[in-house]
Amino acid sequence: DVKVTQSSRYLVKRTGEKVFLECVQDMDHENMFWYRQDPGLGLRLIYFSYDVKMKEKGDIPEGYSVSREKKERFSLILESASTNQTSMYLCASRGAASTDTQYFGPGTRLTVL
Amino acid sequence: AQSVTQLDSQVPVFEEAPVELRCNYSSSVSVYLFWYVQYPNQGLQLLLKYLSGSTLVKGINGFEAEFNKSQTSFHLRKPSVHISDTAEYFCAVSRTGGTASKLTFGTGTRLQVTL
Repeated sequence: DVKVTQSSRYLVKRTGEKVFLECVQDMDHENMFWYRQDPGLGLRLIYFSYDVKMKEKGDIPEGYSVSREKKERFSLILESASTNQTSMYLCASRGAASTDTQYFGPGTRLTVL
Repeated sequence: AQSVTQLDSQVPVFEEAPVELRCNYSSSVSVYLFWYVQYPNQGLQLLLKYLSGSTLVKGINGFEAEFNKSQTSFHLRKPSVHISDTAEYFCAVSRTGGTASKLTFGTGTRLQVTL
C-alpha cells in the first residue's frame, strides 16, 4: 500500500519561530510537492521537487523554502513563521510521468500564534 | 498556464439522489484532468482521471466524469449518492507531457449528503 507520511498532524508555533514540516514517501517517486489548503482557495502549490536536490517554485513560494537531500524526504521550512501562514499543509508525491497518480499525505494543520 | 473553475462551493443533496459537480478549465495546451476527494480530516485521494481516449471516465465509489473539449468541462456525476460521499471534491488539471508538470486545483466543492 502506497504511503505518504507527514511528521505532525497538528502543530502550534509562535510568530518568528523557524518551522520544519517533514514529508516521507515510500514509493520511490521522483516528484514531491508541498501545498497549502485554505477555505475557499483550494490547494495552492508552494514548491515542488522533481529530483534530489532539485526544486522549483510553485504559485506561492514567498516565506517558504524547501529541502530534498534524499529521494524519499521533502521538507518545507518556514524561516520565520507569521500568522498568515496558519493553514493546512499537504505533501504529495508522484512518479516520473505526468500521467501517474499523485498521492497525498494526511496533512499538517499549522497554527501560528 | 492552466486554470480550473468549480462554480459551486457547496452542493447539498439528499441520499439516493443523483448529483453533478461542475468543473470547467482553461488551457492553451492539451491537458490531463483529475478529480480528487477529501474526506474529513484526511488527505486527498484520486477518484478518476482523464488522459485520452473515451471521454467518459469511470472512477471509484460509483463516480464518473465526462470530458467535453468543446465546452472545456469535466463534470463529475453519481447517479445515487450515499451519506458516506459527504466530502470535499477537487477538480485538477495538468498539461500533457513533461516529467515536471504539476497539478492546478480548483477551489473545491463541498458535497453534503443528508437523509
